Amino acid sequence: QKEVEQDPGPLSVPEGAIVSLNCTYSNSAFQYFMWYRQYSRKGPELLMYTYSSGNKEDGRFTAQVDKSSKYISLFIRDSQPSDSATYLCAMSVYNQGGKLIFGQGTELSVKP
Amino acid sequence: SQTIHQWPATLVQPVGSPLSLECTVEGTSNPNLYWYRQAAGRGLQLLFYSVGIGQISSEVPQNLSASRPQDRQFILSSKKLLLSDSGFYLCAWSVRGVGGNSPLHFGNGTRLTVT
Repeated sequence: QKEVEQDPGPLSVPEGAIVSLNCTYSNSAFQYFMWYRQYSRKGPELLMYTYSSGNKEDGRFTAQVDKSSKYISLFIRDSQPSDSATYLCAMSVYNQGGKLIFGQGTELSVKP
Repeated sequence: SQTIHQWPATLVQPVGSPLSLECTVEGTSNPNLYWYRQAAGRGLQLLFYSVGIGQISSEVPQNLSASRPQDRQFILSSKKLLLSDSGFYLCAWSVRGVGGNSPLHFGNGTRLTVT
């Protein structure tokens, strides 16, 4: 079993839809959770960073962490064509900054 | 603000040839530095990380090596490339601190094709 599981998609939605991206993990020692967005042929760009259970909101993006269920989500409201990218979840153990474990990534396409 | 540079952006090399990829970070001091590889359709795999000049930790045994000759410079090398070395190589940095974590910030990568 992989430490981090992410549905690879692809996921196609119409513009304006609410998008839900999800990851599950098996290592209960994970304490830091991140979402990255990666455009084609570019490096991943940090979208959200959180270390506690609950929700964190930034504009149209909401990150949700449920440590009891070992489940994290990223919600995108009012999705735009410019949101079309691959979304990667990542997580790490305390005091091992940088040694991130990544999901496979979910490819998202938002159609105008 | 901090920026990270990687070059070259694209590279095609024959099997058995050497490799040198370079990464530099600007706008920060004493960063942690990382090399990741991303294979097609797969997640990112940590190859090397460094917490200081000359300090390299290897995560995956292979024919690649890394060096950090200066505080903000990180180099990935190979003496003889294999076909399996093809992939997208990403350099990243994070803030070095005592305890806790800081997220990674990635460069735009080098796409390596070994033929």
